[in-house]
Amino acid sequence: AQSVAQPEDQVNVAEGNPLTVKCTYSVSGNPYLFWYVQYPNRGLQFLLKYITGDNLVKGSYGFEAEFNKSQTSFHLKKPSALVSDSALYFCAVRDGGTYKYIFGTGTRLKVLA
Amino acid sequence: NAGVTQTPKFQVLKTGQSMTLQCAQDMNHEYMSWYRQDPGMGLRLIHYSVGAGITDQGEVPNGYNVSRSTTEDFPLRLLSAAPSQTSVYFCASSQGTSGYTDTQYFGPGTRLTVL
Repeated sequence: AQSVAQPEDQVNVAEGNPLTVKCTYSVSGNPYLFWYVQYPNRGLQFLLKYITGDNLVKGSYGFEAEFNKSQTSFHLKKPSALVSDSALYFCAVRDGGTYKYIFGTGTRLKVLA
Repeated sequence: NAGVTQTPKFQVLKTGQSMTLQCAQDMNHEYMSWYRQDPGMGLRLIHYSVGAGITDQGEVPNGYNVSRSTTEDFPLRLLSAAPSQTSVYFCASSQGTSGYTDTQYFGPGTRLTVL
């Protein structure tokens, strides 16, 4: 069975500091991994995804994520946080052999000025 | 392109009532899906479709029906609403199901309250 864990409900970081939002996953086949962001009262927006290839994936708004197969992790990172990055972030996984996506419970990122 | 549209934005139902949440996309996407978002639970997949005439169950399908008669539309039907179905519902679509076409685009959501 597929599963995704986001161990932190909330992450606080000062503006200008690097940020990390954690995600670990479990799938039986090849994982397709995604990060989405949700701003208040809006739908989810795609940030980036990993299919295959380079373990470091670059996405929108300066975000990147590192795929680590041995640790089954896909942590979201940004070198310098902005107040406007404050939002709810979701990690999602799809086993390449299925059409079903599993989302994590979400991590609220708060960037403090 | 309007992208993925959902109607209504808000809805209040009484227990036992039925209703249909509408979802449409104008991007000629093959894959469409419905999720519900509940506090502390993230998004959970209700039903999905990989093309017109083809639907399947997701993680939490009980109490919901779907059909896909056209590529553009993917309505979600609540058969007999229950308070446990109070949630925010999101529709999403993607071009396809390969690793290169499966980025999902989400609608703005429908906030449903069942009294």
